[in-house]
Amino acid sequence: NAGVTQTPKFQVLKTGQSMTLQCAQDMNHNSMYWYRQDPGMGLRLIYYSASEGTTDKGEVPNGYNVSRLNKREFSLRLESAAPSQTSVYFCATLIGGNYGYTFGSGTRLTVV
Amino acid sequence: DQQVKQNSPSLSVQEGRISILNCDYTNSMFDYFLWYKKYPAEGPTFLISISSIKDKNEDGRFTVFLNKSAKHLSLHIVPSQPGDSAVYFCAARGGSNYKLTFGKGTLLTVNP
Repeated sequence: NAGVTQTPKFQVLKTGQSMTLQCAQDMNHNSMYWYRQDPGMGLRLIYYSASEGTTDKGEVPNGYNVSRLNKREFSLRLESAAPSQTSVYFCATLIGGNYGYTFGSGTRLTVV
Repeated sequence: DQQVKQNSPSLSVQEGRISILNCDYTNSMFDYFLWYKKYPAEGPTFLISISSIKDKNEDGRFTVFLNKSAKHLSLHIVPSQPGDSAVYFCAARGGSNYKLTFGKGTLLTVNP
């Protein structure tokens, strides 16, 4: 998915460990988003950032923190991972015009 | 409270026939509706969108219909092709910062 890069692609954590999911976009858009996808649950918004220096909670923010480092980068941090955070995480930015998003290819996280 | 609902978890159709994917919403403040397509191990990709002031939008084999009075939209794919086999997410935009609310998705299988 051109324009949005997520790292890592896969990660296994032990309960209580911390990690940061990285996201960078080269589409020069202000808005960036973090979603998680779980079986049978669709895509749920964790946090979003309307512009550099601003962040806001989405539907499921508990257990997560975010940092909008600059216009390009928006990271998601798990301070103390729990098995309930096992999921696929997607970062996105606006395409513009038709109000759609461009998504990254995702990070598959397993917490054991 | 699920504001965007896709009540069919899966749909199977024959190649060449029409695929109809349905979506219902509850929030009358949504002003834009979008469909995304997702293949395994990839991020969702934007497919087609429609403004709330329209009732139809067409793009090649894909047509989205919006019935505001019924709070219902549908995606028609004609003719269906095996490469269309994927999970389809309905999404709606409401409020500030272009946040999208997604349905749970429908897995479409197009059989050769």
